[in-house]
Amino acid sequence: AQSVTQLDSQVPVFEEAPVELRCNYSSSVSVYLFWYVQYPNQGLQLLLKYLSGSTLVESINGFEAEFNKSQTSFHLRKPSVHISDTAEYFCAVSPKMAAGNKLTFGGGTRVLVKP
Amino acid sequence: GAVVSQHPSRVICKSGTSVKIECRSLDFQATTMFWYRQFPKQSLMLMATSNEGSKATYEQGVEKDKFLINHASLTLSTLTVTSAHPEDSSFYICSARAGVAGGNAYNEQFFGPGTRLTVL
Repeated sequence: AQSVTQLDSQVPVFEEAPVELRCNYSSSVSVYLFWYVQYPNQGLQLLLKYLSGSTLVESINGFEAEFNKSQTSFHLRKPSVHISDTAEYFCAVSPKMAAGNKLTFGGGTRVLVKP
Repeated sequence: GAVVSQHPSRVICKSGTSVKIECRSLDFQATTMFWYRQFPKQSLMLMATSNEGSKATYEQGVEKDKFLINHASLTLSTLTVTSAHPEDSSFYICSARAGVAGGNAYNEQFFGPGTRLTVL
């Protein structure tokens, strides 16, 4: 089984400041890792994913995350946030070599960007 | 990218009635669909996995007789909340995946916009 822990439930941040959202996971097997973003009353949108290869992955809107196998972490960062980045962010894992490819989500981190 | 729709987006019903929520993959064939529920300010919890043409697989603790799932075609899955009660009020989100999972391949799940169910 897998579990995902997002250490911060809420992160207030000023516009144009950097932000880091922490994610740690536990799994007995290798996993794929994901960050999803959810805007109010909407479904989830995939922000970025790590499947293999380079441990640093980037999204088109300036977010990046780095897979650290030894620390079982996949922290999300953005060097300069915008008001439009206000949303809930979910870290998720899915076991490799599994027929179901089920996603296990963390508890979410609510980012509130202040002007 | 692939688009998944849900209908209705919002529903209010009386206690004891049944509510059906539809999940459609609009531009791809979804061999597998997933149903999640999300309570306010909480994460998504997987309720069940449905494969086209077969019975759904429910997660532990989810009542299969209360949450009826049908995946009759490659583009449509339905979740029926039977005899709904106020504690069933939640945000229900579906996702859809094309292809066959397993091995070293990962098939991405595409999420619908969600359905907010309020049971009075």
